[in-house]
Amino acid sequence: GNSVTQMEGPVTLSEEAFLTINCTYTATGYPSLFWYVQYPGEGLQLLLKATKADDKGSNKGFEATYRKETTSFHLEKGSVQVSDSAVYFCALSDWTGNQFYFGTGTSLTVIP
Amino acid sequence: KAGVTQTPRYLIKTRGQQVTLSCSPISGHRSVSWYQQTPGQGLQFLFEYFSETQRNKGNFPGRFSGRQFSNSRSEMNVSTLELGDSALYLCASSPEDRDPKVFGPGTRLTVL
Repeated sequence: GNSVTQMEGPVTLSEEAFLTINCTYTATGYPSLFWYVQYPGEGLQLLLKATKADDKGSNKGFEATYRKETTSFHLEKGSVQVSDSAVYFCALSDWTGNQFYFGTGTSLTVIP
Repeated sequence: KAGVTQTPRYLIKTRGQQVTLSCSPISGHRSVSWYQQTPGQGLQFLFEYFSETQRNKGNFPGRFSGRQFSNSRSEMNVSTLELGDSALYLCASSPEDRDPKVFGPGTRLTVL
């Protein structure tokens, strides 16, 4: 079946540090991959996406590359800010597009 | 363009009662999905509707039900509420299959 596995949190970083949040997936066919972010008290917002192998999604300084050979979609940012503190969810959409599968979320806290 | 709206935003009920939550998707979006978010279980898929038809259902008891109207607005109903139903209920919409889902702010349900 389809599933997404994210690294355990919480993650605490100092401002301007490098961020990596690992995400691996299991899927049949050719899924689309997404990163969503949830700020405190809010719903989920789409951060970036990639729809085929080797695609790189990017937004607001965040990047993730769809790696089919390692079934991974790791989220990276070169220099985090306090405003990046949130919970990050990796997700995949199966080949039908009907259903999304979410990881458990990784809480990130950035301290000044 | 208005986002996904959910009403009410906050709700307090007692055990045994029933509750109806409403979701208005972005205009033109035909797919509406519902998720339950709790600290212990993370994001769990409830069901997904497309053009008034339920296409997918998660692993929840029959107390959880939903429907979608011809204008794509959706409601979910939980009957005979239990303490464990306390959660943030998120609605998400998308135009077509494989499109990223746009989430609403959620309805925070507290069962006493």
